[in-house]
Amino acid sequence: GIQVEQSPPDLILQEGANSTLRCNFSDSVNNLQWFHQNPWGQLINLFYIPSGTKQNGRLSATTVATERYSLLYISSSQTTDSGVYFCAVEYNFNKFYFGSGTKLNVKP
Amino acid sequence: NAGVTQTPKFRILKIGQSMTLQCAQDMNHNYMYWYRQDPGMGLKLIYYSVGAGITDKGEVPNGYNVSRSTTEDFPLRLELAAPSQTSVYFCASSPFWGGSGNTIYFGEGSWLTVV
Repeated sequence: GIQVEQSPPDLILQEGANSTLRCNFSDSVNNLQWFHQNPWGQLINLFYIPSGTKQNGRLSATTVATERYSLLYISSSQTTDSGVYFCAVEYNFNKFYFGSGTKLNVKP
Repeated sequence: NAGVTQTPKFRILKIGQSMTLQCAQDMNHNYMYWYRQDPGMGLKLIYYSVGAGITDKGEVPNGYNVSRSTTEDFPLRLELAAPSQTSVYFCASSPFWGGSGNTIYFGEGSWLTVV
């Protein structure tokens, strides 16, 4: 199967700081998505981004499919950004595989 | 619009018991999935379905069974529960491949403890 690796595993930020989360994958994929899991366990879709760059408010994401990685940027972080960020890749038609996540803690 | 609905939200099982986690979606999605998330870990695919009557194994299918008799419902059966099945279970769905972005939508999770 495909390997999906995320870094860093843990990240502590002061409110207002910026950060970059990385997702590497071992094979070509049809689709890549970023999710935020809030402290209550709920999974929220942030971006569908098989290639290119997208922005949504303070968050943006870039996927370079030819080099098999994706980046999630968080600017001016807020305490509500805390939680775990997952990337998921679609491999072999609609089978989504997840990385192990980056746990983010934003301190006030 | 309810999206993906899972029941029960919490359950404690004794070793050797069996149970079914229910999952229903009202978005007319062809694809449905069951994942498990162990503490501090990512999600692992248990089973998935590409449509009514069609299911296939994911990464960690042992100890589980699924069925898909309708587009809306995708129950997960645990037979002879073991402590290793203590986890959070997520059901999810997505539209047919090639559709509008193929976003995957998750239920709120079912917390299962086997003692």
